[in-house]
Amino acid sequence: DAGVTQSPTHLIKTRGQQVTLRCSPKSGHDTVSWYQQALGQGPQFIFQYYEEEERQRGNFPDRFSGHQFPNYSSELNVNALLLGDSALYLCASSLGQKPDQPQHFGDGTRLSIL
Amino acid sequence: RKEVEQDPGPFNVPEGATVAFNCTYSNSASQSFFWYRQDCRKEPKLLMSVYSSGNEDGRFTAQLNRASQYISLLIRDSKLSDSATYLCVVNVPYGYALNFGKGTSLLVTP
Repeated sequence: DAGVTQSPTHLIKTRGQQVTLRCSPKSGHDTVSWYQQALGQGPQFIFQYYEEEERQRGNFPDRFSGHQFPNYSSELNVNALLLGDSALYLCASSLGQKPDQPQHFGDGTRLSIL
Repeated sequence: RKEVEQDPGPFNVPEGATVAFNCTYSNSASQSFFWYRQDCRKEPKLLMSVYSSGNEDGRFTAQLNRASQYISLLIRDSKLSDSATYLCVVNVPYGYALNFGKGTSLLVTP
């Protein structure tokens, strides 16, 4: 039973560049959420995708955008990278419409901005 | 005020000890509560959901006090492998997002 998979594992970019991170949800899950975790902090909610649409968004600027594909996989795009975007980016998947379902996380992508 | 607050620790305890973590949340409309465990530089993993009546999973017991907006996690007979950061997680009311605390660090020593 495949869990949540993310790619790449690590990424180094420079300020002003753009990045795309990818996520495949756990088998049987149809909902994907993205989180940003800075060092020493808990994960912060970026947005959630369900039925190929952004269902809810956290307090992140428009530089952060995403997409969900018909096979439920998802991408997170960040434009005009800032030093403060350096963090662990976590994808989490869950099932369906109920908000009380626990979310299962991938290993994350560690993004470093130079 | 932070939406989910935890004592960051660290909690240093010997093997076999009992340790308790506390968490408070700010929005009384929250309905779903979880404890996640996160090892150093790894992803958070679901430890257990927290139910109103309290629930137990082996050495782990979770309690919820809705009136006080307070969640607890009790670990009995601590093992070296319990060393990790424990994240208190509460759903955002009327939505689908999860709010995470900053985590409580536990170190179990021989």
